[in-house]
Amino acid sequence: DADVTQTPRNRITKTGKRIMLECSQTKGHDRMYWYRQDPGLGLRLIYYSFDVKDINKGEISDGYSVSRQAQAKFSLSLESAIPNQTALYFCATSDFAGREQYFGPGTRLTVT
Amino acid sequence: KNQVEQSPQSLIILEGKNCTLQCNYTVSPFSNLRWYKQDTGRGPVSLTIMTFSENTKSNGRYTATLDADTKQSSLHITASQLSDSASYICVVSARGADGLTFGKGTHLIIQP
Repeated sequence: DADVTQTPRNRITKTGKRIMLECSQTKGHDRMYWYRQDPGLGLRLIYYSFDVKDINKGEISDGYSVSRQAQAKFSLSLESAIPNQTALYFCATSDFAGREQYFGPGTRLTVT
Repeated sequence: KNQVEQSPQSLIILEGKNCTLQCNYTVSPFSNLRWYKQDTGRGPVSLTIMTFSENTKSNGRYTATLDADTKQSSLHITASQLSDSASYICVVSARGADGLTFGKGTHLIIQP
């Protein structure tokens, strides 16, 4: 089984709708991250969490919120989706040292 | 501002040939540099991680080099295979920082 899983893998939604992307990991890592990837751009950090009680904004957090329900679960929400949030979203985890990040398979989100 | 520049943006080579991808960075203070391979529609997978004191590291047919003085890294692929077709992403971590700086990647296509 995959160490980092994301659901859904693909989602099409309409402008203004609320949507949640979920991430689960079995690696036992404390640190979890949400990234966004757009064509021609590098991955950009949305939010990250170093433990259940620690949530931090990344480079592009506007329009997004997160919830760290447990060590193994980290959810990303779009409160009111807009078309320019159409992108590929990745969850990642790392251990305390943070040297290695393990990425999930990604969620392709389309906002129409 | 921390930046990672990769070249070329894209590259097409014949199966069996070698190639070298380049990465220049301005991240400071430097902690480590990573090369990831990202297959289309999948999450990035780590190939190598190098710290300041390491100037070369191999992973099978992949060999990464690091010159911390000139802030340059390269990824050399030997005897390319069709499965090497992917995007290769250079990622640099700053010491004491929580986030990573991602390059935009080099899109490599191996033709039979």
